[in-house]
Amino acid sequence: GENVEQHPSTLSVQEGDSAVIKCTYSDSASNYFPWYKQELGKGPQLIIDIRSNVGEKKDQRIAVTLNKTAKHFSLHITETQPEDSAVYFCAASIGNTPLVFGKGTRLSVIA
Amino acid sequence: EPEVTQTPSHQVTQMGQEVILRCVPISNHLYFYWYRQILGQKVEFLVSFYNNEISEKSEIFDDQFSVERPDGSNFTLKIRSTKLEDSAMYFCASKTSGSTDTQYFGPGTRLTVL
Repeated sequence: GENVEQHPSTLSVQEGDSAVIKCTYSDSASNYFPWYKQELGKGPQLIIDIRSNVGEKKDQRIAVTLNKTAKHFSLHITETQPEDSAVYFCAASIGNTPLVFGKGTRLSVIA
Repeated sequence: EPEVTQTPSHQVTQMGQEVILRCVPISNHLYFYWYRQILGQKVEFLVSFYNNEISEKSEIFDDQFSVERPDGSNFTLKIRSTKLEDSAMYFCASKTSGSTDTQYFGPGTRLTVL
């Protein structure tokens, strides 16, 4: 089955700097790659997703890139703010199969 | 904006007791999921439900677990005889349809088994 690896497990950046989180997946048939943000005591909230027919997607300060050949995808957050501090999870799925999550990255933005 | 809701937010139970966790998915959604997250670990899939039946389940979802959609709005997860290791956050998720539609997660129920 699908396996998703996520790095780093923790990331500290200064406010205003960029943050990059990387994930790799094992099943080349995976075609959907969402990123979720989880704040303390809350459920995962979708922040951006990408489908296998595109290589990059951007939404304001957040962007995701996908390299299907290498089977990896990355989350980029620019101009980080303290409110970006949270745990970020990548995930992958094939069609209607359940999401397989990475282990998460705890992002701390230091003011 | 429509949301997935879950009740209760926190459930404390004694080992061996039955618990029912409730979810109200977004109204026009057709696929429903339960996931769990043990403290500090990643989110793990339990079961998916479509067209009034289980479409897929993980190894975690053993005979102690069951799901039901008793009416047109609720989606429930029952644990028949809770164990200490069932302590976790349980998340319900739903999506409309289609192979790459977004899953929307509820806020979760924290289950504590004593």
